[in-house]
Amino acid sequence: DIQMTQSPSSLSASVGDRVTITCQASQDISKYLSWYQQKAGKAPKLLIFDASNLGTGVPSRFSGSGSGTDFTFTISSLQPEDIATYYCQQYNNLPLTFGGGTKVEIK
Amino acid sequence: EVQLVQSGAEVKKPGESLKISCKGSGYSFTSYWIAWVRQMPGKGLEWMGIIYPGDSDTRYSPSFLGQVSISADKSINTAFLQWSSLKASDTAMYYCARGVLPGATRNRYDPWGQGTLVTVSS
Repeated sequence: DIQMTQSPSSLSASVGDRVTITCQASQDISKYLSWYQQKAGKAPKLLIFDASNLGTGVPSRFSGSGSGTDFTFTISSLQPEDIATYYCQQYNNLPLTFGGGTKVEIK
Repeated sequence: EVQLVQSGAEVKKPGESLKISCKGSGYSFTSYWIAWVRQMPGKGLEWMGIIYPGDSDTRYSPSFLGQVSISADKSINTAFLQWSSLKASDTAMYYCARGVLPGATRNRYDPWGQGTLVTVSS
């Protein structure tokens, strides 16, 4: 199985700050990485697919980059409604696997 | 609107059986793989397996193979996740999710169902 290592596991930032989360795959997954947002008590929501493509209706302050084994997710200007846990997921190989999650809080 | 609607919360005793459901609407149910994802209390997301309702082709994560059974009934646009003998460690929220690309096993997921909370306690 491909292991997805996500960091940090949690972070606290101020409104307007730039927030960056990283995800490292244990082997080459090309561009086949997505990012999800999960708000408390809700189902995950797809934000980014194919490493850098924005999902439908997703605000442009969210972005993703990377390929191969190293990937980055960025919120350019943190908003109060961005409080959530974020997960990366690889879909290059079965079984599909998720990172451990990053909980984002407002300072 | 593409939508997945899951069955309601369940409270069961260890050793009991259970089948939860996920009904799709707003798209061709037989053309997209459906995944099941577990989230244990306070923990992350775990991919359990997928089913292609068109022919009931199924793939499991090795971690869940033999522990659960995934099935589908295309006549009622519904996928199922089933246990024959529940354990306390099966207590979790279970989500179904649709693959974005038709026919692709390796896929990102959108939309997701609202989740079904399964509680197993004596």
